[in-house]
Amino acid sequence: AQTVTQSQPEMSVQEAETVTLSCTYDTSESDYYLFWYKQPPSRQMILVIRQEAYKQQNATENRFSVNFQKAAKSFSLKISDSQLGDAAMYFCAYLVGSQGNLIFGKGTKLSVKP
Amino acid sequence: DTGVSQNPRHKITKRGQNVTFRCDPISEHNRLYWYRQTLGQGPEFLTYFQNEAQLEKSRLLSDRFSAERPKGSFSTLEIQRTEQGDSAMYLCASSLTVGYGYTFGSGTRLTVV
Repeated sequence: AQTVTQSQPEMSVQEAETVTLSCTYDTSESDYYLFWYKQPPSRQMILVIRQEAYKQQNATENRFSVNFQKAAKSFSLKISDSQLGDAAMYFCAYLVGSQGNLIFGKGTKLSVKP
Repeated sequence: DTGVSQNPRHKITKRGQNVTFRCDPISEHNRLYWYRQTLGQGPEFLTYFQNEAQLEKSRLLSDRFSAERPKGSFSTLEIQRTEQGDSAMYLCASSLTVGYGYTFGSGTRLTVV
């Protein structure tokens, strides 16, 4: 079974500092996609960053970057220069290329301290 | 077309009643998904449509749940004979192709009393 594990239920970071959220996944597939979603208290999920498994280069979106280790099945999210607006639940998700449904982890609640 | 729209935002119903939720996806997106999210958990997949065809259903989708997407546009999710365990946020999402991520709606929060 394909699973996504986020081992940090809660994390805290000081404003302007850097924080890394962990995610591991289990799959036997070779063609898949990985995502990080943000869910602020208003509860609408927002796509933060996306990684295609066949690409070795780590994805980057402004202050957000990933460390994709395919052999280790690890996909961590780094948030640089943390801002108060980054406070939210962050979900790691996995999608097999031939299928439709995203599989989510249980999430990490990120708090940002001023 | 500014995003995925879900109605109602909140629904309170008595146990045993039927409820129906609506989702309007982004118009050019042919894929539509329903998820359920309980407090403190990640979203769990319920079902998905490609155009009007329902291609996959989770075992979470019991016989009391039914989803439709007539004409491949909006979708409805109906829960019959609601139970307290059905209380959750029901999320709808749409996408254009596999692999490019979903756009989520704001969800419908169901409370069964």
